[in-house]
Amino acid sequence: DAKTTQPPSMDCAEGRAANLPCNHSTISGNEYVYWYRQIHSQGPQYIIHGLKNNETNEMASLIITEDRKSSTLILPHATLRDTAVYYCIVRALTGTASKLTFGTGTRLQVTL
Amino acid sequence: DVKVTQSSRYLVKRTGEKVFLECVQDMDHENMFWYRQDPGLGLRLIYFSYDVKMKEKGDIPEGYSVSREKKERFSLILESASTNQTSMYLCASSLYGPPRVQYFGPGTRLTVT
Repeated sequence: DAKTTQPPSMDCAEGRAANLPCNHSTISGNEYVYWYRQIHSQGPQYIIHGLKNNETNEMASLIITEDRKSSTLILPHATLRDTAVYYCIVRALTGTASKLTFGTGTRLQVTL
Repeated sequence: DVKVTQSSRYLVKRTGEKVFLECVQDMDHENMFWYRQDPGLGLRLIYFSYDVKMKEKGDIPEGYSVSREKKERFSLILESASTNQTSMYLCASSLYGPPRVQYFGPGTRLTVT
């Protein structure tokens, strides 16, 4: 699976958009991009995924560059409850099941 | 709504005890996974199952076994708990087909004394 690079930490004011970048310059054509977040002492929460196109759901938007070498997760109106560690994961679907490999992620702090 | 539940949020056991961690999903998913999470080591896959009674070892299966008798339930067993198995245990499930999004349970924090 391709390696990802994320900034270790970011701050965002409540109510503003939080834009979390992820670099995955070695991604291959069959690899998906997934985003999860983890609030302290809880299980990881799935946010969104994409393959080639931009995606939006009720939680967030995912913007993938045309060359697929990077992506951005956008939380349109961040709240204090969005404070968490955000993980960008790139994974190919091989075999009967594919494990997830979490890197160090970005610690997002949302402030008043 | 997607739901993965784990039998306990916190568990304290003594060295040498047999420990059962239960995971149930209500999404009719074929795949189920057990991970452990430790500071500085990230998530590590212990075992996974892609069908009832089927199981495959992950990256760190030593000291653990699993059971999947029903599609919705996946159990992790510590045959003889040791202090180095103190950790956060996370269960996840996914469909077999793409994109195989994994949904996680709340986790069980196990302390072995």
